[in-house]
Amino acid sequence: NAGVMQNPRHLVRRRGQEARLRCSPMKGHSHVYWYRQLPEEGLKFMVYLQKENIIDESGMPKERFSAEFPKEGPSILRIQQVVRGDSAAYFCASSPGHQPQHFGDGTRLSIL
Amino acid sequence: QQQVKQSPQSLIVQKGGIPIINCAYENTAFDYFPWYQQFPGKGPALLIAIRPDVSEKKEGRFTISFNKSAKQFSLHIMDSQPGDSATYFCAASKTSGSRLTFGEGTQLTVNP
Repeated sequence: NAGVMQNPRHLVRRRGQEARLRCSPMKGHSHVYWYRQLPEEGLKFMVYLQKENIIDESGMPKERFSAEFPKEGPSILRIQQVVRGDSAAYFCASSPGHQPQHFGDGTRLSIL
Repeated sequence: QQQVKQSPQSLIVQKGGIPIINCAYENTAFDYFPWYQQFPGKGPALLIAIRPDVSEKKEGRFTISFNKSAKQFSLHIMDSQPGDSATYFCAASKTSGSRLTFGEGTQLTVNP
């Protein structure tokens, strides 16, 4: 069974560019969650999606960040006009229902 | 608002020792408490989880103790090994709400 797949594993962007992070959930999982981890900190919830629906986006910054989970294809976390403070590890998790959540190995985003 | 407090921040034990990591939560609506293990460059991996209807749960060398009245729970690792050296995160969730609230993490080192 393939686990949660995230790509790219590492992403470097210059300030002002766009970053697109992709997440393919485990087979049979229809719930996807995105978390952000700053260095030496715990994970912070960003958004929870089911197919074609955003269920909870209370952890998402109000501007520049968006997420989608289309009917076909991976979930996408999109960050527009990146700034240095966006540098972090972004983790995706999936679950068949609400729990348990299984995590991918993350995308490390670096902003130059 | 920090809803899950984890301690200690770091912990060093000798091989065979029993490290104990503690977490306290504030939200009495939480009813699902998992522990995750994270190695450098990897995503968090689910170790063990407990619900408040039991006071203890064991899986292999890992045990969760849960004190509902004190709103505290802890992870014990029996017969710790150098391979257990990792960062451990506690988390909490409302089953119906799904989002995980994480503690700040404990960096465990098990010396040979």
